[in-house]
Amino acid sequence: GENVEQHPSTLSVQEGDSAVIKCTYSDSASNYFPWYKQELGKRPQLIIDIRSNVGEKKDQRIAVTLNKTAKHFSLHITETQPEDSAVYFCAAPWAGNQFYFGTGTSLTVIP
Amino acid sequence: EPEVTQTPSHQVTQMGQEVILRCVPISNHLYFYWYRQILGQKVEFLVSFYNNEISEKSEIFDDQFSVERPDGSNFTLKIRSTKLEDSAMYFCASYGYGGGFTDTQYFGPGTRLTVL
Repeated sequence: GENVEQHPSTLSVQEGDSAVIKCTYSDSASNYFPWYKQELGKRPQLIIDIRSNVGEKKDQRIAVTLNKTAKHFSLHITETQPEDSAVYFCAAPWAGNQFYFGTGTSLTVIP
Repeated sequence: EPEVTQTPSHQVTQMGQEVILRCVPISNHLYFYWYRQILGQKVEFLVSFYNNEISEKSEIFDDQFSVERPDGSNFTLKIRSTKLEDSAMYFCASYGYGGGFTDTQYFGPGTRLTVL
């Protein structure tokens, strides 16, 4: 299956600073890369995604960049707020419709 | 906005018992999934289902597991003889068709399975 690696596993930032989380994947045929935010005891919620035909996508304070050649994609959160504190997962598809998730990054935003 | 729903929210069972977890995917979606998340760990793919059959399954999805779409709306995961290590949160997810791209999956709220 797809090998998805995610770093870092934990990240603490001061409120207002930026946070960056990186993922690498192994299947060069993967064409869609979502990022999910998961609060304790809740379902993963999609926060942003990117298709392989673009290199960057932004939605307000959140952006995702994709480097297909290097097979990695990153989540960027700017002007972090305490409510951004959660676990973030990346995912990548394998064989079209199996999704493999990264191991998660626990983000803490310190007020 | 349509949502994936799951029942029950919490299921407690004795080891060796059968459990059925239920999901109602978003109505016009075509691809259905079950995932497992052991407490504090990552989300793990179990199985994908399309056109009334399993399209992919992971190593976790052994003979103790089965899935079914018994009618036009429900999608179920059955664990035949539960083990302690099956204790986890089970998420159902679905997505439509992305025009040639794999597309956004929407997750249900999960069923927390506790095996005693």
